[in-house]
Amino acid sequence: DIQMTQSPSSLAASVGDRVTITCRASQSISNNLNWYQQKPGKAPKLLIYAASNLQSGVPSRFSGSGSGTDFTLTISSLQPEDFATYYCQQSYGTLFTFGPGTKVDIK
Amino acid sequence: QVQLVESGGGVVQPGRSLRLSCAASGFTFSGYGMHWVRQAPGKGLDWVAVIWYDGSKKFYADSVKGRFTISRDNSKNTLYLEMNSLRAEDTAVYFCARLTSEKSLDYWGQGTLVTVSS
Repeated sequence: DIQMTQSPSSLAASVGDRVTITCRASQSISNNLNWYQQKPGKAPKLLIYAASNLQSGVPSRFSGSGSGTDFTLTISSLQPEDFATYYCQQSYGTLFTFGPGTKVDIK
Repeated sequence: QVQLVESGGGVVQPGRSLRLSCAASGFTFSGYGMHWVRQAPGKGLDWVAVIWYDGSKKFYADSVKGRFTISRDNSKNTLYLEMNSLRAEDTAVYFCARLTSEKSLDYWGQGTLVTVSS
């Protein structure tokens, strides 16, 4: 099975900061990597699909990059509504796996 | 608009069974693969199972294989998860989600809580 790791596990940032979250796969997954945002008590929301494609309706301050085993989610200017937990998820195999999540808190 | 509504959660004793449902509307249900994903209290997302758009293929996480069965009724626009031999570690909110052609999960239900406890 493909294992996913994320770093950091949590971070504290201020409104307006640039935030970068990394995700690593245990084997090459090409660009089969998606990013989700989840707020407490809510379902996850798709942000980025296929490593770098912005889901419809998602603000352009979110961007994704990477291929193979190493991927990045960047928030160019953190907004109050962006404080949440972010998960990467591989879709290379038939069996999907999620990363452990990165919680973004207010500094 | 696309809607996914889960139901069937509740409190169940270890070793017992439960069936979850996910009612879909606002899109052509029979044209999409569907997934179940769960989240234990205070924990991360945990992929559970997938079923092809026509029900022809099904795959499971190792942790539920042999105990859980995913199915669908395209005539009723409904996805199911039959859970048998439930364990305390199956306690979680269970979400259904729609699979896109780009292999992402673009719409999710609100989730239904399953608590396995004696």
